[in-house]
Amino acid sequence: DTAVSQTPKYLVTQMGNDKSIKCEQNLGHDTMYWYKQDSKKFLKIMFSYNNKELIINETVPNRFSPKSPDKAHLNLHINSLELGDSAVYFCASSQDEGVQETQYFGPGTRLLVL
Amino acid sequence: GEDVEQSLFLSVREGDSSVINCTYTDSSSTYLYWYKQEPGAGLQLLTYIFSNMDMKQDQRLTVLLNKKDKHLSLRIADTQTGDSAIYFCAEKGYTGRRALTFGSGTRLQVQP
Repeated sequence: DTAVSQTPKYLVTQMGNDKSIKCEQNLGHDTMYWYKQDSKKFLKIMFSYNNKELIINETVPNRFSPKSPDKAHLNLHINSLELGDSAVYFCASSQDEGVQETQYFGPGTRLLVL
Repeated sequence: GEDVEQSLFLSVREGDSSVINCTYTDSSSTYLYWYKQEPGAGLQLLTYIFSNMDMKQDQRLTVLLNKKDKHLSLRIADTQTGDSAIYFCAEKGYTGRRALTFGSGTRLQVQP
């Protein structure tokens, strides 16, 4: 019954490695997002996809590449991981129609780069 | 650009009311949200308010919006220890950009 799910929940890896985080939503929403929460708890949008098309791409290093195979999934691949990539990454989704356009968040993926 | 600001910390005693404040700069904001984040957990939507409303009540939660001053507040009545968490204010503009702009979060500590 989980609405927005992410895997893995925790990810510990070495600098220079390549890793992926997966997100799935079963709410039938049209838009999905990746947000990054840093060590000071500050949350910032990274990417947004609407019906598999990229609509927001903030100033994020091109080592980060989102991929949306279908509108229920949005994955985040990170190449050549750096220490500064350590953060919590949240996936979210929203419906375009309707009054609230409320975003529902996944539980987060805690990435630690050593 | 859009900016959302919150005070960083609030401490109250159990049973008192808590008021968490937020200011924002985007005059085209359509919806404003309050999210709660408990330690080690994700973001839980608490409530939202549409920009043409000035108040919304939902059980122990009261949201007040002063659109002229771009000020939003969240009042929690009869605060409980389980309310201890970080509370994020977020706004969504009208520009077609669907992403939320978040405040820095207010850490609420409830003392027994």
